[in-house]
Amino acid sequence: DAGITQSPRHKVTETGTPVTLRCHQTENHRYMYWYRQDPGHGLRLIHYSYGVKDTDKGEVSDGYSVSRSKTEDFLLTLESATSSQTSVYFCAISVYRYNEQFFGPGTRLTVL
Amino acid sequence: TQLLEQSPQFLSIQEGENLTVYCNSSSVFSSLQWYRQEPGEGPVLLVTVVTGGEVKKLKRLTFQFGDARKDSSLHITAAQPGDTGLYLCAGEGNNAGNMLTFGGGTRLMVKP
Repeated sequence: DAGITQSPRHKVTETGTPVTLRCHQTENHRYMYWYRQDPGHGLRLIHYSYGVKDTDKGEVSDGYSVSRSKTEDFLLTLESATSSQTSVYFCAISVYRYNEQFFGPGTRLTVL
Repeated sequence: TQLLEQSPQFLSIQEGENLTVYCNSSSVFSSLQWYRQEPGEGPVLLVTVVTGGEVKKLKRLTFQFGDARKDSSLHITAAQPGDTGLYLCAGEGNNAGNMLTFGGGTRLMVKP
């Protein structure tokens, strides 16, 4: 089983502050993804990575940046958090033959 | 842009009833995956269907991929309270990032 952890699991922050969420995998999967999940919108892709230092934008990338300096870590940064970024954030890795995704436990972020 | 529409969005039924969830698109997908998500957790893969017309069974759950590989259904027989959760379909298309397109989800509640 792929091991994937996210930290922190919960965070409350103020509007305008920077926030970094971390995703860590214990195996060497190449593809990693960051999603946000909001009521009525399902899972929406923010950014993804296809290798160390190789990242690209997803559907809702405005206001977010990512970095991947090691295979096992994928960081999501909100440079200046806004209330519209209050959400549950999931990290995922692509596994198996048909790119099925294995998800982390999520981070609940509240921006006041 | 590939879109997946799930219906119904919400379903509340009594234990022992049968139900069907639909996942429809105008796009062709290489494969179609179904996930279940419980509160406070990330989605978990249930099944992948690959061939048009394919049917897969997982205990009381039956998954079908449409002949044209544009739609899928999930049928649950004799639903149990343990089936309660959010069901998500996801399509794998032809894209550089191995990205999945997720449907909006069906929230199922099975009452004892």
